[in-house]
This record gives sequence, C-alpha cells and structure tokens, in this order.
Amino acid sequence: DAGVIQSPRHEVTEMGQEVTLRCKPISGHDYLFWYRQTMMRGLELLIYFNNNVPIDDSGMPEDRFSAKMPNASFSTLKIQPSEPRDSAVYFCASSLGGGGYGYTFGSGTRLTVV
Amino acid sequence: GENVEQHPSTLSVQEGDSAVIKCTYSDSASNYFPWYKQELGKRPQLIIDIRSNVGEKKDQRIAVTLNKTAKHFSLHITETQPEDSAVYFCAANGYGGSQGNLIFGKGTKLSVKP
Repeated sequence: DAGVIQSPRHEVTEMGQEVTLRCKPISGHDYLFWYRQTMMRGLELLIYFNNNVPIDDSGMPEDRFSAKMPNASFSTLKIQPSEPRDSAVYFCASSLGGGGYGYTFGSGTRLTVV
Repeated sequence: GENVEQHPSTLSVQEGDSAVIKCTYSDSASNYFPWYKQELGKRPQLIIDIRSNVGEKKDQRIAVTLNKTAKHFSLHITETQPEDSAVYFCAANGYGGSQGNLIFGKGTKLSVKP
C-alpha cells in the first residue's frame, strides 16, 4: 500500500486566495482525520470522518475552513479566503477502527500564506 | 472530554543514556495509548502502543508503561542514539462523543548528543 497520500506537498499562496488540500487514505480504512501542526499549538484536530460522514468538526477554526469526503478514497480541506495565520503544516491521517487503533499519517502539506 | 498532558517539553541526553517521557490523561475510560515519533520535516509515525489490559510493553530499546490507577503512561528509551533525536507525541483515545479520535499531547523534543 502506498500509505496516506497528500497533495500538494508545498503550497504558497497570497492572502485572500482559495486553497484546496487533498488526501487519499489507505484503502479499507474507515476513519479519516485532518490535523494542523504549528510550533505554538502543536497537533490540532480540525475534523474527522467515519465512513465518509463528518463526525466532529469542532476543531475547524472558522467558517473559512471546510472539509468534504465525497467517497472512501478522497477528501479535501478547503480554506477560503486564506490568511497568513493559516500558515502551517496540514496532515491527513487514516485509521481502521478510529481512536482505538493507530493512525497512519500522510506526508503533510506545508501551507504558506503571504 | 479527554485531556493529555506531556512532560517534559524538551529533553537533552548524552548518547547511551536513557530517556523518559511522561504523559497523564484525564478520562478513565481511555484504553489505547500510542506513541508517535516525528523527525524534522517528516510525518508522525507510530513507534509503540499499549492497551489498558497491559502494564508494560517492550520493543527493542523502547518500552511503554501504563498505570491505570494514576492515569499516566511513560515512554522509555534506553541506550539512546543520535537518530533517536525527534519530537515524540503521546496520545490517548477519546471516549463518548469523541471515541473515534486520538487526543495528542503537546510533544517532547528529544535531543541526543553524541
């Protein structure tokens, strides 16, 4: 298995632009998680899905952030409009069985908003 | 909900010494406790985990201990090597409404000096 695949690896965008991050989970995994990592706040859970259904989005910072999972093999995290404080590394992770089992993280997307 | 605290935030040891990282959790219903290692610029990777029906687990130079009564668990690395230098995260599974999720500690930056 190729693991959890994220794209792009790096994204530099101007403030106000729309940013879309993509994730392909490991085939057969039923949970998908989006995390944001910064030096100040560590690993923050943004949202997670179970069988493509959003379960907990309480970590989504504000309405500028949205996430979808149209099928079992694809998820997107969208920021519109982007702001400099959104600069961070965004990780996608997947799991078979959720929190009672280990996660596999993707390589992350390093987002820089200038 | 679950809360995980991790100490210390930074740890520096000489090569060959042992390193210990400690975490506490708040939810007595949590029953899965993984540890992740994140090297600079890379993804977090699962290195060892323990379930609540076990008090200790070892894998070569690393071990994890769990005290359910006190609600704390620890990572022990013996005979440290420079390649052990990384950020280590502990986690515990949520329960109730967040049972699909892992709650992460803030991380410990371990530096092993040759």
